[in-house]
Amino acid sequence: EPEVTQTPSHQVTQMGQEVILRCVPISNHLYFYWYRQILGQKVEFLVSFYNNEISEKSEIFDDQFSVERPDGSNFTLKIRSTKLEDSAMYFCASSDLGGSRQPQHFGDGTRLSIL
Amino acid sequence: GESVGLHLPTLSVQEGDNSIINCAYSNSASDYFIWYKQESGKGPQFIIDIRSNMDKRQGQRVTVLLNKTVKHLSLQIAATQPGDSAVYFCAEGTGANNLFFGTGTRLTVIP
Repeated sequence: EPEVTQTPSHQVTQMGQEVILRCVPISNHLYFYWYRQILGQKVEFLVSFYNNEISEKSEIFDDQFSVERPDGSNFTLKIRSTKLEDSAMYFCASSDLGGSRQPQHFGDGTRLSIL
Repeated sequence: GESVGLHLPTLSVQEGDNSIINCAYSNSASDYFIWYKQESGKGPQFIIDIRSNMDKRQGQRVTVLLNKTVKHLSLQIAATQPGDSAVYFCAEGTGANNLFFGTGTRLTVIP
């Protein structure tokens, strides 16, 4: 069964450093998403991406965040200057159709730890 | 704003019994609902979804019930197995490109 893959599984970074989280969505999917989950809390939407541009973003997704699809398979989330409160699990998801009326399929996440 | 919440943070059931996990939502504009299962160290795994024009949908050993009158949905798992132990999230969609997740219920299956 096709799946979303994310690397690395765990990233440890010093506060203020840039970090790039990588995702390979399911190959025939066209819509891509990033969510985060702070330990013990609910999964929160960050951003959705379609046709090489952001389609929606939440208040969490401020100027420190950016997303990119650098080639035909990868989808990345960059945090320019990390803060302690960025520590969380970051999940990538994809769907073959847009809108939130389709199942989004999630990767197993990257645990980001900011020191 | 939207709000998706769960009635019970934990649920323990005996193996073989049926499980019922509940979820309340507050946004009457939500018209799509998904249940996800999250095992330790893994991402949310799609279980079953339902659109607001339906009251009930069945999958393999799972049933989702939607009561729009009281903004409530539930996930029923038949003959619960140890492998069903996980955190279960409901999520709602309104047609925008994002899902709103509830806080989760931890299901523990007692052998």
